[in-house]
Amino acid sequence: SAVISQKPSRDICQRGTSLTIQCQVDSQVTMMFWYRQQPGQSLTLIATANQGSEATYESGFVIDKFPISRPNLTFSTLTVSNMSPEDSSIYLCSVEEGASGADTQYFGPGTRLTVL
Amino acid sequence: AQKITQTQPGMFVQEKEAVTLDCTYDTSDPSYGLFWYKQPSSGEMIFLIYQGSYDQQNATEGRYSLNFQKARKSANLVISASQLGDSAMYFCAMRELQSNDYKLSFGAGTTVTVRA
Repeated sequence: SAVISQKPSRDICQRGTSLTIQCQVDSQVTMMFWYRQQPGQSLTLIATANQGSEATYESGFVIDKFPISRPNLTFSTLTVSNMSPEDSSIYLCSVEEGASGADTQYFGPGTRLTVL
Repeated sequence: AQKITQTQPGMFVQEKEAVTLDCTYDTSDPSYGLFWYKQPSSGEMIFLIYQGSYDQQNATEGRYSLNFQKARKSANLVISASQLGDSAMYFCAMRELQSNDYKLSFGAGTTVTVRA
């Protein structure tokens, strides 16, 4: 499976500021996904990022709050804008690869964000 | 309506014993995939095993096996010969293939604690 890295691995930020999270893959992939996992919760899909087109956001997530870039087939960024303590979460990127007869999503190590 | 239900918030298992994690799902899509992921305290999401809705046999991957009962819409994960390193959160997820929207729906997760 693809090797996925994320930067930063963790950060502590002040409310009102923004943080950009990077996701790098060691191979070209068509589909990249961004998830949020609030403390003690399951994963929620924020958006799907395709190269060369606007990201597709899920209900409850908007581009102004979570702008996403996808400049090429191996890289994507997610920005968490104007942060509040409610944005404290683990943010994970994932990519889709064919495996075991069906496409499987593989995840990066996550970015643990704390907003004070 | 919730698509994936994991009814066990937490489980304890003795080292070297087997443990079964329950997962039921709800879909009207005849073609779907079921996934299990492991999330250690570090936060990364590790893909464990996949079962396709048309697969005739239960999936197995090393110490992991999936008890797939299609009529009951259940896809329980069995971990055999538990090890201390198996202590983690486990998520069941589903992708509905006919809808072709690449989304994974996750359950709430089950925390497994392996005791020495």
